[in-house]
Amino acid sequence: EVQLVQSGAEVKKPGESLKISCKGSGFNFNNHWIGWVRQVPGKGLEWMGVMHPDDSDSRYNPSFRGQVTFSADKSTSTAYLQWGSLKASDTAIYYCAKSFDTYYADAFDIWGPVTMVTVS
Amino acid sequence: EIVLTQSPGTLSLSPGERATLSCRASQSVSSSYLAWYQQKPGQAPRLLIYGASSRATGIPDRFSGSGSGTDFTLTISRLEPEDFAVYYCQQYGSSPPSTFGQGTKVEIK
Repeated sequence: EVQLVQSGAEVKKPGESLKISCKGSGFNFNNHWIGWVRQVPGKGLEWMGVMHPDDSDSRYNPSFRGQVTFSADKSTSTAYLQWGSLKASDTAIYYCAKSFDTYYADAFDIWGPVTMVTVS
Repeated sequence: EIVLTQSPGTLSLSPGERATLSCRASQSVSSSYLAWYQQKPGQAPRLLIYGASSRATGIPDRFSGSGSGTDFTLTISRLEPEDFAVYYCQQYGSSPPSTFGQGTKVEIK
């Protein structure tokens, strides 16, 4: 089964750092871009950016550039989303998602589960 | 950045009825790189349509997508009880950033 499994919900304080993970299985992880999508509860979806696990090539939404960092460990098929200093406005649901094909500009065909990050 | 505007915001229909959802882009979406997703409460989005009109794996044929340029449509031919949800369009032809519409909620009338 093709799936993405994310680390669990997090509760952090403003100013703290955080790294959440997204582990892929059932597909060639290093052949697809992994994206991150933010959703404030009750609101819409925001495309944060994508990263290719094989060489860590990343494309950021300018709105999130400098606020978060993408990384990956291709040996464990795991992608990461990291904050250096959290703000209350980072409180949201974060999804990782797999690109449908092998191009960075692509739809997402597999999504990880709801992962809530609360900063308070 | 391409802005996607979905209409209507909420669609109130009965099971068995036809649903027509609109997604309009502020600029032409290259190569019809437009996707539609369904999201139910407490769940991640699910890909329904990619490339404006191609159904994703396992998606029933009552879902269809059409359009090009700046105007796109998702049609659900006959609503089933499980189709009541929020639907989002996404353009990925002009990326980064890819962008999503604000969503259309299909609710039971």
